[in-house]
Amino acid sequence: TQLLEQSPQFLSIQEGENLTVYCNSSSVFSSLQWYRQEPGEGPVLLVTVVTGGEVKKLKRLTFQFGDARKDSSLHITAAQTGDTGLYLCAGWDYGGSQGNLIFGKGTKLSVKP
Amino acid sequence: NAGVMQNPRHLVRRRGQEARLRCSPMKGHSHVYWYRQLPEEGLKFMVYLQKENIIDESGMPKERFSAEFPKEGPSILRIQQVVRGDSAAYFCASSPRQNSPLHFGNGTRLTVT
Repeated sequence: TQLLEQSPQFLSIQEGENLTVYCNSSSVFSSLQWYRQEPGEGPVLLVTVVTGGEVKKLKRLTFQFGDARKDSSLHITAAQTGDTGLYLCAGWDYGGSQGNLIFGKGTKLSVKP
Repeated sequence: NAGVMQNPRHLVRRRGQEARLRCSPMKGHSHVYWYRQLPEEGLKFMVYLQKENIIDESGMPKERFSAEFPKEGPSILRIQQVVRGDSAAYFCASSPRQNSPLHFGNGTRLTVT
C-alpha cells in the first residue's frame, strides 16, 4: 500500500502571509489530487496534477507535481481567512486489483485576520 | 444538479444497535466509495462499489460492516452491533468512471453511546 505524508500537520498564519504545504511519498503516482475540506463538510477537489514537473495555478493557489511524481506542493500567496480549512492530497493506489484513492492526513490551515 | 447526498447527517446509536448510512451518488455516477474519518487521522478508504457489485472492500472490517449499492436506490453502509470505536464521520463519494476525481457528500457523523 502506498502512503502519502503531509506536512506540516498544523499551520496558523496571519492574513496576507504566504505559505507552502507538502505532500510526499516514497512511491510514484500517476497523478495526485488536492482537496480542501471545511468543518462539517466533505472534501472538495481543487486540482489534479498529472505530469512530472507540472505547475498549475488556481487564483492565489499554485500546485506543483515533483519531477519524479513522488511529491507535490501547494503554495498560497497572500492568504485570506477564507483559505482556512483542511488541505488533503490524494493519489490512486493500485496495490489492490482495481485501485482506490488514498489520502494523506492533511494540513490543517488556520488564517487569522 | 444535486451533489452527493448522504443521510442522516447525524446518527446516535447505543452500543449493540445497528447503524444504516445512506448515500445517493451524483446523477450519472455509477461508482461509489465509502470513507471513514477520525480526527487527526485523515480519510480511510473502506469500500468501492459499482451498481450491484462490490469492487474492492479491502478497507472494511471483516465483521459487522457491510455495504451494498443496489440497482435501484442509494448505496447503504451497514454497521451491526455498533461499538464506541465506530464513532466517526463516514463519507461517501461518487465518480462517473474508474479513477476519476471523487465528489464527496457532507458525511454522516455517527456517535455511539
